[in-house]
Amino acid sequence: ETGVTQTPRHLVMGMTNKKSLKCEQHLGHNAMYWYKQSAKKPLELMFVYSLEERVENNSVPSRFSPECPNSSHLFLHLHTLQPEDSALYLCASSQDVTAGVYNEQFFGPGTRLTVL
Amino acid sequence: GEDVEQSLFLSVREGDSSVINCTYTDSSSTYLYWYKQEPGAGLQLLTYIFSNMDMKQDQRLTVLLNKKDKHLSLRIADTQTGDSAIYFCAERRNSGYALNFGKGTSLLVTP
Repeated sequence: ETGVTQTPRHLVMGMTNKKSLKCEQHLGHNAMYWYKQSAKKPLELMFVYSLEERVENNSVPSRFSPECPNSSHLFLHLHTLQPEDSALYLCASSQDVTAGVYNEQFFGPGTRLTVL
Repeated sequence: GEDVEQSLFLSVREGDSSVINCTYTDSSSTYLYWYKQEPGAGLQLLTYIFSNMDMKQDQRLTVLLNKKDKHLSLRIADTQTGDSAIYFCAERRNSGYALNFGKGTSLLVTP
């Protein structure tokens, strides 16, 4: 138990559906992240939020839309996805985003997404 | 290169030592991490090393850092079947907000 929870754990959706992934952290952290983990590829950073403000968006297609209503919650809204978007989506949090300092990221268990 | 490099697979016998190697990209990276991912779970931080250190030992885990070659290794002594997992090397660069991960090394421990 890392203090970061994600729901749902598994999601199957069609290409025309709209769904949302939810992440919640109970650690009092100020930064939250979305990563995509595909088979045989490195973890890909998608979005970074610091104090509810998006600070990084790594060329992610607009069919992925993040939302951070407060520092404890992070959502990833999905619409008109493609089969190649099937992956494990991991949420993480850290105390802050300061570069060059120890800043452990705590990961949730992930949502396994399958797009049919 | 821009990628953190790791070998994809390693198989060892129970009781032997495992050594997982990693080459990272940025010589100015300040912190280097080893994460473990068990099936169906997220990533769990195993250990980390600060860039001004050569070695760090933590129970069965030994991390060696060669800054000149940008090489990091994780040694697991007396490897157990419960150590079977995917191990990710990651660097914390001085710029950017997140960690730069390798593809992960799948460790299989056989009885």
